[in-house]
Amino acid sequence: AQKVTQAQTEISVVEKEDVTLDCVYETRDTTYYLFWYKQPPSGELVFLIRRNSFDEQNEISGRYSWNFQKSTSSFNFTITASQVVDSAVYFCALSEAGRSGGGADGLTFGKGTHLIIQP
Amino acid sequence: DADVTQTPRNRITKTGKRIMLECSQTKGHDRMYWYRQDPGLGLRLIYYSFDVKDINKGEISDGYSVSRQAQAKFSLSLESAIPNQTALYFCATSDFRGQAFFGQGTRLTVV
Repeated sequence: AQKVTQAQTEISVVEKEDVTLDCVYETRDTTYYLFWYKQPPSGELVFLIRRNSFDEQNEISGRYSWNFQKSTSSFNFTITASQVVDSAVYFCALSEAGRSGGGADGLTFGKGTHLIIQP
Repeated sequence: DADVTQTPRNRITKTGKRIMLECSQTKGHDRMYWYRQDPGLGLRLIYYSFDVKDINKGEISDGYSVSRQAQAKFSLSLESAIPNQTALYFCATSDFRGQAFFGQGTRLTVV
């Protein structure tokens, strides 16, 4: 069965520091999808990125970057020059291709990392 | 209007009561899901559906039932609510690539 581990329960840094959120996953499928979601204090879930198992290219979007390494089953998320608005709970999630393909059987979430950015 | 709408947004109910949480979507997706979020546990899948005739149990389906009334509507019921079902509940849809689109959540408290 699939599993996602976010070992960091809570991280606190001072504004403008760089911070990396770790995500390690387990799956038997060769085709799977990895996601990061942000949950600000208001409670909604905001999609950040999707990566499929065949695409190991790292991605950068503004201050956000993601490092996908199949060899270590990790999909880590780095925020550069953090800001107070980055304070939130961040979830890493995994979906397997499933019987219908495309990750239809739902997401398996990590327990989340609570990121606190202090001014 | 939100693509995925959950009602109610907040609900307090008594132990033993039946309660229904409703979800509707305008994404046109066939796949719909109900998740539960507890502090420190992340989100866990309760039920999911590929269409009105295809309902599947997720990781934590005990104590819950669902109904897919139409492609756009997916309801979650607690037949006899108990305090440990107090949680934040999310409905979601999914596109063909597995990306989930979430509703704003329903905060349920069972007293």
